[in-house]
Amino acid sequence: EDQVTQSPEALRLQEGESSSLNCSYTVSGLRGLFWYRQDPGKGPEFLFTLYSAGEEKEKERLKATLTKKESFLHITAPKPEDSATYLCAVQANDYKLSFGAGTTVTVRA
Amino acid sequence: KAGVTQTPRYLIKTRGQQVTLSCSPISGHRSVSWYQQTPGQGLQFLFEYFSETQRNKGNFPGRFSGRQFSNSRSEMNVSTLELGDSALYLCASSWGFSDRQSDTGELFFGEGSRLTVL
Repeated sequence: EDQVTQSPEALRLQEGESSSLNCSYTVSGLRGLFWYRQDPGKGPEFLFTLYSAGEEKEKERLKATLTKKESFLHITAPKPEDSATYLCAVQANDYKLSFGAGTTVTVRA
Repeated sequence: KAGVTQTPRYLIKTRGQQVTLSCSPISGHRSVSWYQQTPGQGLQFLFEYFSETQRNKGNFPGRFSGRQFSNSRSEMNVSTLELGDSALYLCASSWGFSDRQSDTGELFFGEGSRLTVL
């Protein structure tokens, strides 16, 4: 069975304090790994897709990287508006998406 | 353009009742997926519909069912509600392709229907 584990569960940062979120996975044939952001009371919002080890994607203060067993989401110099729950998901060969439990990031001004 | 619309946003039911939730995808999107989100289990895949056919299914009991109409709108139904069915039910749409070759996994989610079972 496909498994996605995210750590830490929660992360409290000071504005400007860079950090990384981890997503480790086991999947039968990885088609892609995805990062989503979810604000309270909202549905998840797509951030990135990574397809192969070594790939990197960037968007504003966020950078996602992928290895054969895990992915990292780096937040550089975060701002309070970066506070959210970040979800990692993997898509297996059967096209199903399996989500991790998420990392809740709180950035204090 | 308009996003994914889910109705109702909130509802309260009692055990044993049934409930129907509705989802209108982004115009042009042909694939609609449903997810259950709870604090303990996170986001769990229920099923996916493409061109009115169920294309994929998660590990939920038969009380959970769905359908898709010719205009890509979708409904899901939960019968004989249990306390554990209390959750946020999220609908997501995507372009979808019949041969799957270009499916990117990029989903556009609605804001969800929050179901409370008493």
